[in-house]
Amino acid sequence: LAKTTQPISMDSYEGQEVNITCSHNNIATNDYITWYQQFPSQGPRFIIQGYKTKVTNEVASLFIPADRKSSTLSLPRVSLSDTAVYYCLVGAAGTASKLTFGTGTRLQVTL
Amino acid sequence: DAGVIQSPRHEVTEMGQEVTLRCKPISGHDYLFWYRQTMMRGLELLIYFNNNVPIDDSGMPEDRFSAKMPNASFSTLKIQPSEPRDSAVYFCASSFLGPSSYNEQFFGPGTRLTVL
Repeated sequence: LAKTTQPISMDSYEGQEVNITCSHNNIATNDYITWYQQFPSQGPRFIIQGYKTKVTNEVASLFIPADRKSSTLSLPRVSLSDTAVYYCLVGAAGTASKLTFGTGTRLQVTL
Repeated sequence: DAGVIQSPRHEVTEMGQEVTLRCKPISGHDYLFWYRQTMMRGLELLIYFNNNVPIDDSGMPEDRFSAKMPNASFSTLKIQPSEPRDSAVYFCASSFLGPSSYNEQFFGPGTRLTVL
């Protein structure tokens, strides 16, 4: 099981770029890296997933270095509506795996 | 598609009572996941199914918890007897692919359970 470590919280101003880094030192060869966003009283929502290098979609970018022991979620020009908890999830190769979201990073965006 | 549907949205019960949570996954999704979220432990996977078959139940906390998926469009998570420490938000999620591949899970709105 690849344990992940993220900052507990981050603050940003509206319009800034936010980078949230996740450490996953014992990531397995077949593991993907996935990020989810959760607003209060809602279920998590998929943001982006990648295996290596860089992945970009309409809402975020995911940077993964060659050793894959960490990853960085980049949110360009955040707005107040991006205030949420962001989870880094690594895994899970095979059928006997356990997916653990952990406690995530609470991002607070202010004016 | 209406997304993943969970019922009830809120449940308040007394210790010792049986609690049944229900989930309807997105049509066509072969995988269904049950999670529990608390402030202390975050979001934990309890069990997941593939094509209605339980694949990994290593996250189920104890024998008081059981989950079934009688068909592709319905699953239940049952707690019997319930205890105050079971109070949490329970999420159901479904996905087209499994956790070992590109896997976007779609979560339901959750059931907030309070055991008095």
